[in-house]
Amino acid sequence: QKEVEQNSGPLSVPEGAIASLNCTYSDRGSQSFFWYRQYSGKSPELIMSIYSNGDKEDGRFTAQLNKASQYVSLLIRDSQPSDSATYLCAVLTGANNLFFGTGTRLTVIP
Amino acid sequence: EPEVTQTPSHQVTQMGQEVILRCVPISNHLYFYWYRQILGQKVEFLVSFYNNEISEKSEIFDDQFSVERPDGSNFTLKIRSTKLEDSAMYFCASTRQGSSYEQYFGPGTRLTVT
Repeated sequence: QKEVEQNSGPLSVPEGAIASLNCTYSDRGSQSFFWYRQYSGKSPELIMSIYSNGDKEDGRFTAQLNKASQYVSLLIRDSQPSDSATYLCAVLTGANNLFFGTGTRLTVIP
Repeated sequence: EPEVTQTPSHQVTQMGQEVILRCVPISNHLYFYWYRQILGQKVEFLVSFYNNEISEKSEIFDDQFSVERPDGSNFTLKIRSTKLEDSAMYFCASTRQGSSYEQYFGPGTRLTVT
């Protein structure tokens, strides 16, 4: 049984701070990982993909992957109120479809 | 920037009726997916489609569901006899062949079964 675990939150951070979002997964064979942002009532929007151990940076976003610990994280630097959303961690299965976590709700306080 | 589009944005139907949800994937994408999200729950995979046939389907995708690519652009999800529990957001997604499998989602269709 595949599992992708995320803290449901809400996670509240002040504007300008770093938001740290975490995700663990159960399938040790997983190779591809994704972070999506979902505003209320909207569809998932791809933010980052990561495939190798280590860090991957894109603007204010940094994804971190540790396959040995089966752990993926997303850091958002200089958080803005517009970053307030639910962040979904997704793992690509062997059948090439996405298995999602329940998401972490982030609130950035002005 | 190319986007996945979906119609209608909201569909209300009575239990037992058939519905067809439509999607236009990004034009150079070859893998297509349907996901659903029941209100307050996580996004769940329904079915993947490649080369005019189903690649994979989940337990949710039972005989009441079918998919079709009737022409070169549209990708449809049909629910033959809707149930109350089919009420959800349905998202279409697509990805390029040989890519990093980054899937791009359409805006979704909110299906309400009464």
